[in-house]
Amino acid sequence: GQQVMQIPQYQHVQEGEDFTTYCNSSTTLSNIQWYKQRPGGHPVFLIQLVKSGEVKKQKRLTFQFGEAKKNSSLHITATQTTDVGTYFCAGRRGNTPLVFGKGTRLSVIA
Amino acid sequence: DSGVTQTPKHLITATGQRVTLRCSPRSGDLSVYWYQQSLDQGLQFLIQYYNGEERAKGNILERFSAQQFPDLHSELNLSSLELGDSALYFCASSPGRLLGTEAFFGQGTRLTVV
Repeated sequence: GQQVMQIPQYQHVQEGEDFTTYCNSSTTLSNIQWYKQRPGGHPVFLIQLVKSGEVKKQKRLTFQFGEAKKNSSLHITATQTTDVGTYFCAGRRGNTPLVFGKGTRLSVIA
Repeated sequence: DSGVTQTPKHLITATGQRVTLRCSPRSGDLSVYWYQQSLDQGLQFLIQYYNGEERAKGNILERFSAQQFPDLHSELNLSSLELGDSALYFCASSPGRLLGTEAFFGQGTRLTVV
């Protein structure tokens, strides 16, 4: 079945450093979504990418969808302690259920 | 606050028992999804209901069942519980029928089976 792999599993950065998490699908996706889950919290929707090669920005966050629509990335510039949490990508093919990656847990050291 | 309400927040029960988790979706949302989150498996899609009818099924065990009522709240029933069923169970809702629309998650129910 469809699989979504996310790397790295964990990332520890110094405050002010950049951070990137990568998401790879075994199949071509219709769209990809990104969620953030704070420690002890619930997943919160960040963004959805639909078009091949699409790039979207939200302040210090940059989201990309690959040309082949099989991979995506989330890049955070100059991390802050408020960025701490687990970032999940979730991909969908056609009208199948969203498949979540296992997430990248980000720790930011002040 | 996502607008999705889940009860209870915590549940501790013994193996072999049966529990019911409850979810009230955001006002106006017709779709309800259930997810299981365990440490090593991430977020696993269990099942989706749309306007009272089952819409999609994921990795849901036969011991688990769900339903959506006319007022759109949903219940997830877990029976013959095993230690491995201990996890966070999230409910999410969205306005549409399509599985790929933005999902709003509740706070989750932490189930501990002892």
